[in-house]
Amino acid sequence: DGGITQSPKYLFRKEGQNVTLSCEQNLNHDAMYWYRQDPGQGLRLIYYSQIVNDFQKGDIAEGYSVSREKKESFPLTVTSAQKNPTAFYLCASSIYPGGAFRVTNEKLFFGSGTQLSVL
Amino acid sequence: LAKTTQPISMDSYEGQEVNITCSHNNIATNDYITWYQQFPSQGPRFIIQGYKTKVTNEVASLFIPADRKSSTLSLPRVSLSDTAVYYCLVGVRDDKIIFGKGTRLHILP
Repeated sequence: DGGITQSPKYLFRKEGQNVTLSCEQNLNHDAMYWYRQDPGQGLRLIYYSQIVNDFQKGDIAEGYSVSREKKESFPLTVTSAQKNPTAFYLCASSIYPGGAFRVTNEKLFFGSGTQLSVL
Repeated sequence: LAKTTQPISMDSYEGQEVNITCSHNNIATNDYITWYQQFPSQGPRFIIQGYKTKVTNEVASLFIPADRKSSTLSLPRVSLSDTAVYYCLVGVRDDKIIFGKGTRLHILP
């Protein structure tokens, strides 16, 4: 089955610790995204990547880092610099339309999320 | 990025048709309109996408007037399981796909 897999489902972080959330997709999508969701709120973009070995900051990148060494994988590290990391983290992927006249018709496929809590 | 405005919340009853309208006055020529559904503790799920007129699939219909400044997601004969948050997305900002707060739909028995 094609899809996008996030792990772990639940993660606990101690103060001062870095933790890494995994995101893997087998949809052959070029673009991948990380969003953060706080209770009762919408999704906020952390980082996104449209091609291997390249990524851009979203609206709330401070305290987070990513890598895109393989097309299938886009891990997110929550560093100790992120002082309020408790949230629901969602990874997504899509075909990236690109082109000179870029249409905005991406359809995002999401993983099941990782709930990160601070001990 | 076209700014979208949709109701914060809506209530309806089982068996009713629900219409959620999204306003996007500054939609661009290259923008599509995309709707997602999110259940608690799950990732959003793509529901429907359209550019103009009407699109229908097995889940919903999307109505887009000629000026494209708004769109209406229509859910026929809702059930309790349709209780969710529905997001309307139009365009990107500097290649970023931005979600708003969505509409919390609560279906009552």
